[in-house]
Amino acid sequence: AQKITQTQPGMFVQEKEAVTLDCTYDTSDPSYGLFWYKQPSSGEMIFLIYQGSYDQQNATEGRYSLNFQKARKSANLVISASQLGDSAMYFCAMREGTGANNLFFGTGTRLTVIP
Amino acid sequence: EPEVTQTPSHQVTQMGQEVILRCVPISNHLYFYWYRQILGQKVEFLVSFYNNEISEKSEIFDDQFSVERPDGSNFTLKIRSTKLEDSAMYFCASKAGINSPLHFGNGTRLTVT
Repeated sequence: AQKITQTQPGMFVQEKEAVTLDCTYDTSDPSYGLFWYKQPSSGEMIFLIYQGSYDQQNATEGRYSLNFQKARKSANLVISASQLGDSAMYFCAMREGTGANNLFFGTGTRLTVIP
Repeated sequence: EPEVTQTPSHQVTQMGQEVILRCVPISNHLYFYWYRQILGQKVEFLVSFYNNEISEKSEIFDDQFSVERPDGSNFTLKIRSTKLEDSAMYFCASKAGINSPLHFGNGTRLTVT
């Protein structure tokens, strides 16, 4: 089974609107971390936001928030007030357990912001 | 803001040649990683490195691959005899602590011809 599933290969959003990018995960480890990364067309990977499995509150970073629903094993990224510069690939990733574990990435969602 | 630096940004090599991809992680980070992304596909883990040794590696990281931290700042990935299917973007990443987020470099695009 895939550890990270992103079911939306592409999404469109009007500038200044909010958009939700879906991510579900699969793990039996009670301790895990969830990450979102942005990859612009230039190729670099930019860390956006992190949610730990034991965090009581949803993570927020500026216009980014993570809608963490533990029982559903979902960690959707919400981008508010979309900007043209938000157009990029967005990857959800999970770290299982603690320690120097690697990240499992989803297949990504290509977000296009329409002016 | 400190960042992970990778050189070169693009490398073209012939099949069978050795390549070394270089990375300078963020200076106070302790955990180092290499990932790769074949064009249009997801990012895949290759290897993690901590305390001067490999802590974990994936099936992709076979005997053709090796990593080294030759001094206090550089972290290199060597591919001994490149194959066409090694063409990909290779990302170096580092993190400060066990539960810290990974910070990625801008990547090296490797093209094997």
